[in-house]
Amino acid sequence: AQSVSQHNHHVILSEAASLELGCNYSYGGTVNLFWYVQYPGQHLQLLLKYFSGDPLVKGIKGFEAEFIKSKFSFNLRKPSVQWSDTAEYFCAVNSGGYQKVTFGIGTKLQVIP
Amino acid sequence: DADVTQTPRNRITKTGKRIMLECSQTKGHDRMYWYRQDPGLGLQLIYYSFDVKDINKGEISDGYSVSRQAQAKFSLSLESAIPNQTALYFCATSDQGYNEQFFGPGTRLTVL
Repeated sequence: AQSVSQHNHHVILSEAASLELGCNYSYGGTVNLFWYVQYPGQHLQLLLKYFSGDPLVKGIKGFEAEFIKSKFSFNLRKPSVQWSDTAEYFCAVNSGGYQKVTFGIGTKLQVIP
Repeated sequence: DADVTQTPRNRITKTGKRIMLECSQTKGHDRMYWYRQDPGLGLQLIYYSFDVKDINKGEISDGYSVSRQAQAKFSLSLESAIPNQTALYFCATSDQGYNEQFFGPGTRLTVL
């Protein structure tokens, strides 16, 4: 069965600091990977996704993620966070033909002005 | 107009009551999902449906039932609500099981 773990449950950063949120998955075959964001009081929306090709994926609002197959990781990064990035971030994985996506438990990011 | 809508957006009910949460989508997707979100637990899959005739249990289906009335409509029922079903409930759709999911705005349910 597929599973995904997010290491940081709550992160507090000052504006302009760099961000990296960890995500590891368990499946060793072909995977599709996602990062979703949930702004306060809103629904989840897609930040970026990786299916194949360039392992460095760029998403909306300056976010990017790198797929490292050897480490089973898909970490989310942003060079300089803004107060408006305060949200909860979910990593998700779909593995090789499995018909569902499994979500991590989320990381709450608080950006202090 | 939103692609995925949920009604009601907020609901407070009492233990033992039957509750139905409704989800409609205009994206034309075959696949629909119900999740609950609890603080610190992330999203847990309750039920999912690949088409009108294909409904499957998720990780936490006990105490819940669903109905797929049409391609665009997927309802979640709590036959006899209990307090630990207090949560935020999301409906989602996708065109394929492995692809991006589109979420509704959520229903905040409180069971007293």
